[in-house]
Amino acid sequence: AQSVTQLDSQVPVFEEAPVELRCNYSSSVSVYLFWYVQYPNQGLQLLLKYLSGSTLVKGINGFEAEFNKSQTSFHLRKPSVHISDTAEYFCAVRRNDYKLSFGAGTTVTVRA
Amino acid sequence: DTAVSQTPKYLVTQMGNDKSIKCEQNLGHDTMYWYKQDSKKFLKIMFSYNNKELIINETVPNRFSPKSPDKAHLNLHINSLELGDSAVYFCASSPTQEGTEAFFGQGTRLTVV
Repeated sequence: AQSVTQLDSQVPVFEEAPVELRCNYSSSVSVYLFWYVQYPNQGLQLLLKYLSGSTLVKGINGFEAEFNKSQTSFHLRKPSVHISDTAEYFCAVRRNDYKLSFGAGTTVTVRA
Repeated sequence: DTAVSQTPKYLVTQMGNDKSIKCEQNLGHDTMYWYKQDSKKFLKIMFSYNNKELIINETVPNRFSPKSPDKAHLNLHINSLELGDSAVYFCASSPTQEGTEAFFGQGTRLTVV
């Protein structure tokens, strides 16, 4: 079975500071990994995805993530956050049965 | 143009009622999904259709019945609504059932009173 663990439920951060959101997955086979963002009262929007190839993946809005097979991690980073980055962030893995399995989410609150 | 659109956005109804949520995608995708997001924001897949055929049916009460009249539409009908059905329901679509990328609708916030 494949599952996703987001290690931080809430991450407060000051504007222009860096942020890292941690995600670990459990899987014995190749995986597809995703980060989604959910702004207040909105649907989910894809930030970035790892399917294969380069382990450093760049996404929208200045976010990037690194796939680490040995540590089974896919942490999300942004070097300098804005107030508008306040949102819920979800890590997800596409399972062998093609289903997306989501982590519990990390609430990022950016303060001035 | 909205890629994945759901209606209604908000739905408040009494216990025991029957209600439907509609979803349409104009992306030409083959696969569509329904997800449920509970009050703790946990997301779980409910159903998936590929080219109008049911391919994923998670452990969901049979009061929930999806219907896909064509591959651009996936509606969700719920019978005998219960308090525990209160949640945000998201429709999504993917180009294929491989699910390399899912596009989500804005969600329908269902409140059962």
